[in-house]
Amino acid sequence: DAGVTQSPTHLIKTRGQQVTLRCSPKSGHDTVSWYQQALGQGPQFIFQYYEEEERQRGNFPDRFSGHQFPNYSSELNVNALLLGDSALYLCASRAGTGWAEQYFGPGTRLTVT
Amino acid sequence: RKEVEQDPGPFNVPEGATVAFNCTYSNSASQSFFWYRQDCRKEPKLLMSVYSSGNEDGRFTAQLNRASQYISLLIRDSKLSDSATYLCVVNPRASGGSYIPTFGRGTSLIVHP
Repeated sequence: DAGVTQSPTHLIKTRGQQVTLRCSPKSGHDTVSWYQQALGQGPQFIFQYYEEEERQRGNFPDRFSGHQFPNYSSELNVNALLLGDSALYLCASRAGTGWAEQYFGPGTRLTVT
Repeated sequence: RKEVEQDPGPFNVPEGATVAFNCTYSNSASQSFFWYRQDCRKEPKLLMSVYSSGNEDGRFTAQLNRASQYISLLIRDSKLSDSATYLCVVNPRASGGSYIPTFGRGTSLIVHP
């Protein structure tokens, strides 16, 4: 049973560029959430997707957008990258939109130079 | 006041010691609570959910105090392998009635021989 997978593992981008990160949820899970974790901080909730729609959103600007596909996989897009966007981006999946435990992927480490 | 606050770390304890972490939350409408463990440069992994009646899993005990708005994690007979960062997660009610998972910044535990 595959867990949550993410790609790529590492990424280096330049300020102003755009980036797309990908996530495949754990088998049986249909809800995907994205988090940003800066060094020394806890993960911060970006948004959650369920049934191919954004259901909840944290305090992130519109430069952060996402998508969920019919097979429940998801993408996170960040436009006009800033140095402050450098972080570990984590994807988490769960079954349904309730309060069930969520399971994290290994993350994508994004460095913006 | 931050929505979720954790004990400052790091906690440096000898093998076999008992150690406890607290996590306070500000939103009294919070409905679900969890503890995650995160190893250096890895993804958070679910350690345990926290129930109103308290729950135990081997050497780990989690408690919820709704009146005082905090959750706790007790680790008995600490092992070297328990060294990690422990993150608490609270699902407070956001505007519009949705629940946004909010992580604390984590407490670092170092268990030494």
